[in-house]
Amino acid sequence: NAGVMQNPRHLVRRRGQEARLRCSPMKGHSHVYWYRQLPEEGLKFMVYLQKENIIDESGMPKERFSAEFPKEGPSILRIQQVVRGDSAAYFCASSFDRGEYEQYFGPGTRLTVT
Amino acid sequence: SQQGEEDPQALSIQEGENATMNCSYKTSINNLQWYRQNSGRGLVHLILIRSNEREKHSGRLRVTLDTSKKSSSLLITASRAADTASYFCATDAWNQGAQKLVFGQGTRLTINP
Repeated sequence: NAGVMQNPRHLVRRRGQEARLRCSPMKGHSHVYWYRQLPEEGLKFMVYLQKENIIDESGMPKERFSAEFPKEGPSILRIQQVVRGDSAAYFCASSFDRGEYEQYFGPGTRLTVT
Repeated sequence: SQQGEEDPQALSIQEGENATMNCSYKTSINNLQWYRQNSGRGLVHLILIRSNEREKHSGRLRVTLDTSKKSSSLLITASRAADTASYFCATDAWNQGAQKLVFGQGTRLTINP
């Protein structure tokens, strides 16, 4: 039973480029959460999605960031025109349902903006 | 502001000793969870304790919760080198009927052989 999968594991982008981060939830899970971890800090919630719906994006920066979870395929976190401050580890988690269900985390994508 | 705050920020002990980490939070919760993160890796769920529970055990882990003080502690007994990692507490926050996790800054635990 494969866990949450994220790719790429490491991503290097120059300032101004776009970054696309992918997350495939655990089998049977249709709820996806994205978190960002800055160096030496804890994780901060960004967005929660169900299939084809954004449910809670209260943690997403207002500009340049977007997320989707299409009917088919992985969830995508997209960062346009990246800046150095976007350098961080981005983690995806999935759960079986909304509510008090355990969230299972992927290994993360480490984005470095040069 | 950040919900959970861990204390200490860093802890270094000898193998075999017990390690205690504390977490304080600010608002009411339904549950509190502890996670471990090895360097450069993802998070591993350790234990969930609900607001109506006071103590929970899992192997060498013991978690306590004091809702009156808005605090929790994680005790690792008989520590091993493999326990070296960062430990985070996470409290639940609700929006649109869904739970999101609010993490503290973490405690970096080092077990010296």
